[in-house]
Amino acid sequence: DAKTTQPPSMDCAEGRAANLPCNHSTISGNEYVYWYRQIHSQGPQYIIHGLKNNETNEMASLIITEDRKSSTLILPHATLRDTAVYYCIALPVSGAGSYQLTFGKGTKLSVIP
Amino acid sequence: DAEITQSPRHKITETGRQVTLACHQTWNHNNMFWYRQDLGHGLRLIHYSYGVQDTNKGEVSDGYSVSRSNTEDLPLTLESAASSQTSVYFCASSSSGRNEQFFGPGTRLTVL
Repeated sequence: DAKTTQPPSMDCAEGRAANLPCNHSTISGNEYVYWYRQIHSQGPQYIIHGLKNNETNEMASLIITEDRKSSTLILPHATLRDTAVYYCIALPVSGAGSYQLTFGKGTKLSVIP
Repeated sequence: DAEITQSPRHKITETGRQVTLACHQTWNHNNMFWYRQDLGHGLRLIHYSYGVQDTNKGEVSDGYSVSRSNTEDLPLTLESAASSQTSVYFCASSSSGRNEQFFGPGTRLTVL
């Protein structure tokens, strides 16, 4: 699995967009970029994933550069409930199973009132 | 709504006792996982299952066992609890071939 690099922490004002970067320069062609988050004392939560096209769902948008070496998770209107540690990982899609999730240190996002 | 639940949410036990943590999902997912999370170690995979009667060891399986008799449940058993097994345990599930794993709320286990 490709190694990912994220800044250790970021602040964002409530109501503003939070843009969380991730570098994955060694990502291979069959690996998707996945984003999860973990709010304090809760289980990890899947947010979004993508291969090479930009993706959007009800939680966030994912922008992947054309060379696929980096990506940005965008929370369009951050709220206090978005304060969490955000993890970016690269995983291939398996035939029937699912890959073990191994999180790095992630980015601790603090949404400031 | 479909969900994944864990019980108990908190458990205190003594060294040497057998403990079973329950995990139940109503998504009809084939894949189920048990992780433990400790400060400084992140998430570590204990056991996983890709379907009924299928179980596999993860990276930290010693002292733990699972069984999968139906799609909905994957109970985790600590055969003889040790203080090193004090941790927060998360159960997760996913559809076949999907890496989007959905996690339960966790069980905080303390072994005295």
